[in-house]
Amino acid sequence: GAVVSQHPSWVICKSGTSVKIECRSLDFQATTMFWYRQFPKQSLMLMATSNEGSKATYEQGVEKDKFLINHASLTLSTLTVTSAHPEDSSFYICSARGTSGRTYEQYFGPGTRLTVT
Amino acid sequence: AQKITQTQPGMFVQEKEAVTLDCTYDTSDPSYGLFWYKQPSSGEMIFLIYQGSYDQQNATEGRYSLNFQKARKSANLVISASQLGDSAMYFCAMREDLSGGGADGLTFGKGTHLIIQP
Repeated sequence: GAVVSQHPSWVICKSGTSVKIECRSLDFQATTMFWYRQFPKQSLMLMATSNEGSKATYEQGVEKDKFLINHASLTLSTLTVTSAHPEDSSFYICSARGTSGRTYEQYFGPGTRLTVT
Repeated sequence: AQKITQTQPGMFVQEKEAVTLDCTYDTSDPSYGLFWYKQPSSGEMIFLIYQGSYDQQNATEGRYSLNFQKARKSANLVISASQLGDSAMYFCAMREDLSGGGADGLTFGKGTHLIIQP
């Protein structure tokens, strides 16, 4: 099956710094990628949808200036958490949708655990 | 109103028994898709099964089957002959507006923590 990777798998950063998380589709082209956030013992919440070559669409309540998303190629999307604070500590998961058009074709990355101290 | 409701926060089941995880959904779109994912403690999301709103038959994938009752807006996951390795969080999810391209992300329920006991 299709593989999606994320890097790093976990990161600890100091409050006020920025952190970049990469999401790559390894063996297929992803026209659309999604970023989710999951707090401990809670569900996944969609943060934004990114389409290759265009601006990301953010869900209500998600600060676009804080969570910068770039989808510069068909295999790479990045999420940058700017000026991170402890409340941004969470599990960030990306998923990628391929180009074959099958409606259930959405593949998740392994996630990135962010801890802001 | 919640779009996906999972009413069982946790379940304990004996190994080899069948398990039914409940999921109800709310949408006004005629075209939508329903998903079940398994999330072990490692955090990865493992796709289990998919049901399209226009699919006539209930989806099945090995030991997993989806009991789709469209009129009741219900999409319960049935795991037959449970195994110790089935212990994990299980999430029901929906994607709406498939006829419009289905580019939207998934809306997830709160999940059910399933524990299989030997």
